[in-house]
Amino acid sequence: AQSVTQLDSQVPVFEEAPVELRCNYSSSVSVYLFWYVQYPNQGLQLLLKYLSGSTLVKGINGFEAEFNKSQTSFHLRKPSVHISDTAEYFCAVSREGGGNKLTFGTGTQLKVEL
Amino acid sequence: SAVISQKPSRDICQRGTSLTIQCQVDSQVTMMFWYRQQPGQSLTLIATANQGSEATYESGFVIDKFPISRPNLTFSTLTVSNMSPEDSSIYLCSVKGSRVNTEAFFGQGTRLTVV
Repeated sequence: AQSVTQLDSQVPVFEEAPVELRCNYSSSVSVYLFWYVQYPNQGLQLLLKYLSGSTLVKGINGFEAEFNKSQTSFHLRKPSVHISDTAEYFCAVSREGGGNKLTFGTGTQLKVEL
Repeated sequence: SAVISQKPSRDICQRGTSLTIQCQVDSQVTMMFWYRQQPGQSLTLIATANQGSEATYESGFVIDKFPISRPNLTFSTLTVSNMSPEDSSIYLCSVKGSRVNTEAFFGQGTRLTVV
């Protein structure tokens, strides 16, 4: 079974500042990794995913994440946030090569302030 | 990509009643999933619904409480039966292609309040 830990439940940051949202996972098998964003009163939208290859993954809206197998981490970063980035961010994993179920972390509320 | 429509978007229901949530997809998909997001918490998978077979429920969820239908490749329903205030949550429909490395798409969710 897989598990996901998002250490920060809330992250306040000023506009145009950099941000990092942390995600660690646990799994006995290789995994695929995902970051989803949920804007208020909306469903989840995929930001980016790591399946294989380059450990630095670029996604939409200027976000990127780096897969670190030795540290079992997949932290999300953005060099300069905008007020419109205020949302809930979820890290998720699925089993590589056949697992279709997603296991989600508890989410991180990013609040961008002026 | 897939566009998913869920109905209703929100509802307030009396305890002891049942609510059926509909999920319509704009293309044929192999796998459909139902998730629950309780207030302030993450998403928890309720069940996987595949067309032509019974839904597969996760630990802690049973068919009598959450019956699911999957009559075709573009539609599914989830019923929340005999509701109690503890069932107040956001229920989300999700779809995924058959290839293992495809992403999952989500509907906008149904916000359910049981009073």
